[in-house]
Amino acid sequence: KNQVEQSPQSLIILEGKNCTLQCNYTVSPFSNLRWYKQDTGRGPVSLTIMTFSENTKSNGRYTATLDADTKQSSLHITASQLSDSASYICVVRRSGGGADGLTFGKGTHLIIQP
Amino acid sequence: GAGVSQTPSNKVTEKGKYVELRCDPISGHTALYWYRQSLGQGPEFLIYFQGTGAADDSGLPNDRFFAVRPEGSVSTLKIQRTERGDSAVYLCASSISGRAPYEQYFGPGTRLTVT
Repeated sequence: KNQVEQSPQSLIILEGKNCTLQCNYTVSPFSNLRWYKQDTGRGPVSLTIMTFSENTKSNGRYTATLDADTKQSSLHITASQLSDSASYICVVRRSGGGADGLTFGKGTHLIIQP
Repeated sequence: GAGVSQTPSNKVTEKGKYVELRCDPISGHTALYWYRQSLGQGPEFLIYFQGTGAADDSGLPNDRFFAVRPEGSVSTLKIQRTERGDSAVYLCASSISGRAPYEQYFGPGTRLTVT
């Protein structure tokens, strides 16, 4: 069964600190993996997309890693800001899966405290 | 430019009533998706349009749910005989094409509450 598991479920850190969110998946065959940021009351917004051959990709203070062998990805946030408070959702696409080839994780709810 | 818009932003209805949720995709995007998101969960796929036709409706939970996109732009998700379990945020997304890795752009969602 295609699944995406994210951890932790929720996380509270102080402003300025770093944090790492985890995503483990069993989706096969793998096409790509995206990390989305979803602010409260808003739709998800893509942060990064990674394909099989990519190990790491950065977008400002966000750095995503992918280990396709162990089927694990992480999202590292550096020097957190209050505006980073949101849910972060890992989404994996299955090759040839069409529209329903996407498997969404439940997200990690991140709270940045001043 | 304008992003994906959804109306209404909030909808409260009584059990058994009929509701329509509207999605205006980004101009020129041929692919349109509907998702349902319950509290603390990731989005759950409902239906996908490529142009005017429903290319994949395998995610619709039952025949009370129906969606249309008659002119290949605006889409309406219709729910008949609403049940309390239908309460959720309904997200719409659009993309240039239905093929990966084209990015999906999400709307803000419609929060549906069935009392």
